Amino acid sequence: DAKTTQPPSMDCAEGRAANLPCNHSTISGNEYVYWYRQIHSQGPQYIIHGLKNNETNEMASLIITEDRKSSTLILPHATLRDTAVYYCIVRGGVPRAGNMLTFGGGTRLMVKP
Amino acid sequence: EAGVTQFPSHSVIEKGQTVTLRCDPISGHDNLYWYRRVMGKEIKFLLHFVKESKQDESGMPNNRFLAERTGGTYSTLKVQPAELEDSGVYFCASSLIAGGADTQYFGPGTRLTVL
Repeated sequence: DAKTTQPPSMDCAEGRAANLPCNHSTISGNEYVYWYRQIHSQGPQYIIHGLKNNETNEMASLIITEDRKSSTLILPHATLRDTAVYYCIVRGGVPRAGNMLTFGGGTRLMVKP
Repeated sequence: EAGVTQFPSHSVIEKGQTVTLRCDPISGHDNLYWYRRVMGKEIKFLLHFVKESKQDESGMPNNRFLAERTGGTYSTLKVQPAELEDSGVYFCASSLIAGGADTQYFGPGTRLTVL
């Protein structure tokens, strides 16, 4: 699976949008971009994923560039409860080939009052 | 719908003892994964079951770790004998369809401390 690069930390004001970038310049055509977060020591929580098109759900939006070499996770109105480590993971789309998730260091997002 | 559950939430054992961790996946999920995070390190994959079969166990650190999933439902991860470096948080995840388009849902983890 392609490697990802994320800033180690970011701050965001409560109520503002949090935009978390991720670079995945070696992504291949059948690889998906997944985002998870880990709050304190809880289990990783799934947020959103996408292949080519932008995606939106009740938690966040995922913007993938046209060349797919980078993406941005957007939390539209960050709250204090969104303080967590956010992981951008690229994962193969071929069943039984690299089904694991490869976690990097992620971005530690601190939402401040 | 119940999520992935893990038992126990915490376990403290002496070096050389045996510990068994249990994971109950989301009902109907054929795929079950084990991951762990040891102190100061990133979350690492251990192994992947498809029903009762081990699909990928490339992340298992050594033969002191034994994972089973009899009947294709819940899974156990046994560490025997436990060593100090096994301390960490062990996560289980499950998914419906293996591959890039499926989503793995994680349990709360079991925090293992080996003294």
